[in-house]
Amino acid sequence: KAGVTQTPRYLIKTRGQQVTLSCSPISGHRSVSWYQQTPGQGLQFLFEYFSETQRNKGNFPGRFSGRQFSNSRSEMNVSTLELGDSALYLCASSLRTSGRHGEQFFGPGTRLTVL
Amino acid sequence: DQQVKQNSPSLSVQEGRISILNCDYTNSMFDYFLWYKKYPAEGPTFLISISSIKDKNEDGRFTVFLNKSAKHLSLHIVPSQPGDSAVYFCAASEGDNYGQNFVFGPGTRLSVLP
Repeated sequence: KAGVTQTPRYLIKTRGQQVTLSCSPISGHRSVSWYQQTPGQGLQFLFEYFSETQRNKGNFPGRFSGRQFSNSRSEMNVSTLELGDSALYLCASSLRTSGRHGEQFFGPGTRLTVL
Repeated sequence: DQQVKQNSPSLSVQEGRISILNCDYTNSMFDYFLWYKKYPAEGPTFLISISSIKDKNEDGRFTVFLNKSAKHLSLHIVPSQPGDSAVYFCAASEGDNYGQNFVFGPGTRLSVLP
């Protein structure tokens, strides 16, 4: 079974630009969560999508948005990039068919550098 | 304000000995806890979890202990192996049936010396 895939793996943008990151979950997984990892803050939860609906959102500004498609693939968009947005963005998928807790399987991440 | 804390940024242990990684949390609503391991250039890999109705969960060389009154959990690795060298993240969840939200600690870098 293929794992979680994220594209692109590396991205360099300049301040003010916008960026879209993509995540394909493990086949059959309907929950997709996004995290930002920085050296100082560790992993911080951005949002979770389940069946094309945003179910939960972390404490990030509205410049960070996402969506999920009917095939469970998810995209994350960051508009008006700031230098502080430079980070590793991780996507995690979960089966979550029973109850709310589901083991999350992480992708390799997208390394975003904002110049 | 960090809700999940891992106060040791790094830990070195001799091969074959026990590794103990600690995690503290402040939110008493957390009721599900997980440990992840992360190698460089890879996403975190799930190791073991524990529900708040238990105080211990074991899986092979890995055991997680939960002390709810102290809001503390620990991961024990016995015996430690060089391949265990990685960054370990503690995570906690307080979601409901609608959504889940995992809060991660900053991580502890474990080095197992041969």
